[in-house]
Amino acid sequence: EVQLVESGGGLVQPGGSLRLSCAASGFTFSSYAMHWVRQAPGKGLEYVSAISSNGGSTYYANSVKGRFTISRDNSKNTLYLQMGSLRAEDMAVYYCAREGDIGSFDYWGQGTLVTVSS
Amino acid sequence: QSALTQPRSVSGSPGQSVTISCTGTSSDVGGYNYVSWYQQHPGKAPKLMIYDVSKRPSGVPDRFSGSKSGNTASLTISGLQAEDEADYYCCSYAGSYSWVFGGGTKLTVL
Repeated sequence: EVQLVESGGGLVQPGGSLRLSCAASGFTFSSYAMHWVRQAPGKGLEYVSAISSNGGSTYYANSVKGRFTISRDNSKNTLYLQMGSLRAEDMAVYYCAREGDIGSFDYWGQGTLVTVSS
Repeated sequence: QSALTQPRSVSGSPGQSVTISCTGTSSDVGGYNYVSWYQQHPGKAPKLMIYDVSKRPSGVPDRFSGSKSGNTASLTISGLQAEDEADYYCCSYAGSYSWVFGGGTKLTVL
């Protein structure tokens, strides 16, 4: 059974940093591109970042470019999102998702909440 | 990347059909056959319902179907059931390893 479990969310002050993790199991993690998608409270889904299966290619939405870094450790079956210079508008539930067919996300984690507040 | 345009809400009675539109540009929806649709119930993670414009993952009822014409994709749900009430999001590949979501549509089953 495919499972994605996010962790690392919490309360952080504006300007602070946080690292999210997504532990994967039930599939060959190193064979799949992975993604982060976020959802602000009461709002829609917003695409955040992507990383290829071997980590060689990454993508960031303009809203997080230069502040967030996506990475992965295929030996640990874990995806990461290092978030810096956090702003109030970064407050959201962050989901990790597996890219199945190109451009579609076939499995999602349960999400981890990031709260940015002083 | 600008978000894809979806109606804020749609509604239908049990047994009826509803269609949710998703309008983008030639750089995303119109440029690739990589449109997907997600269902999200309150407090839950999104669930893939349609991928590659019109393909259904295993386990998704055939009441759900997708299509595309030009820069607009559509999700049709036929034989509406109470459990279909949820938020629905479209998503399109936009080239250069980037993706864009729609703003979401709230489906109400009357």
